[in-house]
Amino acid sequence: GENVEQHPSTLSVQEGDSAVIKCTYSDSASNYFPWYKQELGKGPQLIIDIRSNVGEKKDQRIAVTLNKTAKHFSLHITETQPEDSAVYFCAASKDNDMRFGAGTRLTVKP
Amino acid sequence: DGGITQSPKYLFRKEGQNVTLSCEQNLNHDAMYWYRQDPGQGLRLIYYSQIVNDFQKGDIAEGYSVSREKKESFPLTVTSAQKNPTAFYLCASRPTGPYGYTFGSGTRLTVV
Repeated sequence: GENVEQHPSTLSVQEGDSAVIKCTYSDSASNYFPWYKQELGKGPQLIIDIRSNVGEKKDQRIAVTLNKTAKHFSLHITETQPEDSAVYFCAASKDNDMRFGAGTRLTVKP
Repeated sequence: DGGITQSPKYLFRKEGQNVTLSCEQNLNHDAMYWYRQDPGQGLRLIYYSQIVNDFQKGDIAEGYSVSREKKESFPLTVTSAQKNPTAFYLCASRPTGPYGYTFGSGTRLTVV
């Protein structure tokens, strides 16, 4: 089955800096890669996603890149703000199966 | 507004009791899922259902049961056979196909 690895597990940045979270997946048939943000005590929220026919996608300060050959994808957050502090999960999906990474706790220091 | 509602937000269970967590969605999504999240951990799949009256075990189904009698509802029962049920439980739904999940706000279950 699919296996998703996520790094780093914790990330601390200064406000205004960029943050990058990386994920790798094992199943080359996976075709959909969402990213979720989970704030303390809440359910995860979808923040951006990318499909296998696209290499990069941007939405304001966040972007995701996908390298199908290497089977890895990354989340980039620019101009980080304290409200970006949360746990971020990547996932890889094929058909109705979605597998999550273990999560990255991002702390943005003012 | 369309969404997915979990209740209760907090639940306390005594040893040996069964408890049922509610999950309702009005998004007209076909698929629904239950995940367990332990402190500092990722999401582990308990059960999922792709259509009414059908559901499949996930990675950690032992000690749990579900039903899917209506498209909108996917309740999870934590039975007394689940030896370590204290955790944060998340319900999710999505349409058929490569789309993201919509998650509920979670139920925190504590054994007392």
